[in-house]
Amino acid sequence: DIQMTQSPSSLSASVGDRVTITCRASQSITTYLNWYQQKPGKAPNLLIYAASSLQSGVPSRFSGSGSGTDFTLTISTLQPEDFATYYCQQTYSTPPYTFGQGTKLEIK
Amino acid sequence: QVQLVESGEGVVQPGRSLRLSCAASGFTFSSYAMHWVRQAPGKGLEWVAVISYDGSNKYHADSVKGRFTISRDNSKNTLYLQMNSLRVEDTTVYYCARERSPGITFGGVPFDYWGQGTLVTVSS
Repeated sequence: DIQMTQSPSSLSASVGDRVTITCRASQSITTYLNWYQQKPGKAPNLLIYAASSLQSGVPSRFSGSGSGTDFTLTISTLQPEDFATYYCQQTYSTPPYTFGQGTKLEIK
Repeated sequence: QVQLVESGEGVVQPGRSLRLSCAASGFTFSSYAMHWVRQAPGKGLEWVAVISYDGSNKYHADSVKGRFTISRDNSKNTLYLQMNSLRVEDTTVYYCARERSPGITFGGVPFDYWGQGTLVTVSS
């Protein structure tokens, strides 16, 4: 199975900051990498798919990059509503479609 | 609009069974692969199972293989998860989720719509 490792596990930042979260796959997944945002008590929300494509309705301050095994999610200018937990997920080839362990973004 | 509504929430004893349902509306259910994902309290997301749009292909995570079975009834626009031999560690919130692109067996695409989640508690 493909393992997904996110870093950091938690992050403190201020409104207006630029934030980057990284995700590493245990083997190449080309660009089959997705990013989700989850707020407490809510279902995950798709932000980025295919490593760098912005899901419809998601603000342009979110961007993704990478290919192969190393990926990043960047929030260019943090807004108050962005404080949440972020997960990467690989959907490469056959299941299981594993998630990273999550990165909790907290207000500094 | 697309809606996924899970049901079947409950408290069950270890070793017993429970069936979850996910009622879909607002899209052509029979065209999309569907997944179950779970999340233990305060923990991360764990992929559980997938079924192709026509029900002909299924995969289950190793942690539930042989105990859980994913199925669907396209005539009722409903996804199911039959959970047998439940364990304490199966205590989680279960989400159903839709793959983003229709007509694909599964894989290669993200999950664009999710249900609100249903809590299963396994406890003696």
